[in-house]
Amino acid sequence: QKEVEQDPGPLSVPEGAIVSLNCTYSNSAFQYFMWYRQYSRKGPELLMYTYSSGNKEDGRFTAQVDKSSKYISLFIRDSQPSDSATYLCAMGSGGSNYKLTFGKGTLLTVNP
Amino acid sequence: GAVVSQHPSRVICKSGTSVKIECRSLDFQATTMFWYRQFPKQSLMLMATSNEGSKATYEQGVEKDKFLINHASLTLSTLTVTSAHPEDSSFYICSARGQGQGNEQFFGPGTRLTVL
Repeated sequence: QKEVEQDPGPLSVPEGAIVSLNCTYSNSAFQYFMWYRQYSRKGPELLMYTYSSGNKEDGRFTAQVDKSSKYISLFIRDSQPSDSATYLCAMGSGGSNYKLTFGKGTLLTVNP
Repeated sequence: GAVVSQHPSRVICKSGTSVKIECRSLDFQATTMFWYRQFPKQSLMLMATSNEGSKATYEQGVEKDKFLINHASLTLSTLTVTSAHPEDSSFYICSARGQGQGNEQFFGPGTRLTVL
């Protein structure tokens, strides 16, 4: 079993839809969680950073963490064609080790 | 804030030559920089972690003599691919973590390396 599992998609939705992206993990040492957006041939861009169970909202994006279930989600409201990208979840265990473990990424297409 | 640049964005070289890629943090001091490799439709694979003024820590299976990493200042890290081979062709991305920035890593735009 991989440490982080993420459905690669592809996921295709109409403009305005609510998008749900998910990752599960097996390592209970993970303490903080991030979501990155990566456009084709570009570096990842940090969208959300959370370190506790619950919800965190930023504009149209909501990150949700359930440590008891080892499950994290990213919700995108009112999706736009410009949201079309690959979304990567990432997690780390803290302390002096700042390494991140990434999911494979989910390719999202928002159709106008 | 938290901008990371990479140079060059794209490089094509002949087999057997060496290529240097620069990673710079433009508006913060990067105490830790990371180098990743990404194959098409694959996730990021961490190659090494470097702290300013220290030797890089390489991940298992990454040849340190082939992928030379230098982190000589708080704003610059370099990755040199020595004696490049076609199988080294890939997308190389750096990220940086700044002092006081918590655990977030901020990524550069990546460098596309093609070895002929």
